[in-house]
Amino acid sequence: KAGVTQTPRYLIKTRGQQVTLSCSPISGHRSVSWYQQTPGQGLQFLFEYFSETQRNKGNFPGRFSGRQFSNSRSEMNVSTLELGDSALYLCASSLVTGSLDYGYTFGSGTRLTVV
Amino acid sequence: GENVEQHPSTLSVQEGDSAVIKCTYSDSASNYFPWYKQELGKRPQLIIDIRSNVGEKKDQRIAVTLNKTAKHFSLHITETQPEDSAVYFCAATPPYNFNKFYFGSGTKLNVKP
Repeated sequence: KAGVTQTPRYLIKTRGQQVTLSCSPISGHRSVSWYQQTPGQGLQFLFEYFSETQRNKGNFPGRFSGRQFSNSRSEMNVSTLELGDSALYLCASSLVTGSLDYGYTFGSGTRLTVV
Repeated sequence: GENVEQHPSTLSVQEGDSAVIKCTYSDSASNYFPWYKQELGKRPQLIIDIRSNVGEKKDQRIAVTLNKTAKHFSLHITETQPEDSAVYFCAATPPYNFNKFYFGSGTKLNVKP
């Protein structure tokens, strides 16, 4: 059974550019959540999608956006990149949103470096 | 919203000793508390979790305890081994927040052989 797949694994972008990251959840999982991981701030919640709808959002500026497709794959987009956006972006999938039966399964992340 | 604090930030133990990591949470409605282990350069992996209707849960050398009154929960690792060296994160989530987990800041555990 394939795990959570994130692409690309590494990315280098210039300030002001935009970037799109992709996350394919475990087959059958319908909830996808995104987190930003930095040494200083730890794991911070970006947003969660279920059935193509954003159900929850963290405290990030509007430059951070996401979407989910009918096959549950999700993308997140960051526009007008800033140096502080350099981080490991993790997505996590779970079987049923709001359920306590399953914790997250994380992908390996996308390491974004903004120069 | 929920706020999770985790201590200590670093922990160094001798192989075979026990390690304890503690977390406190602020929202009394939180009812699910997972622990994740993240090895260097790898993804966080769920190692154990506990629900609010349970006080303790064990899985081989790992145990988690929950004190709802005091709003704190702890991870206990016995007979530590070098492969236990990693960063451990606690998390809490209230039922109304649809898979939004609030993570602690992490504990870097170093098990010395």
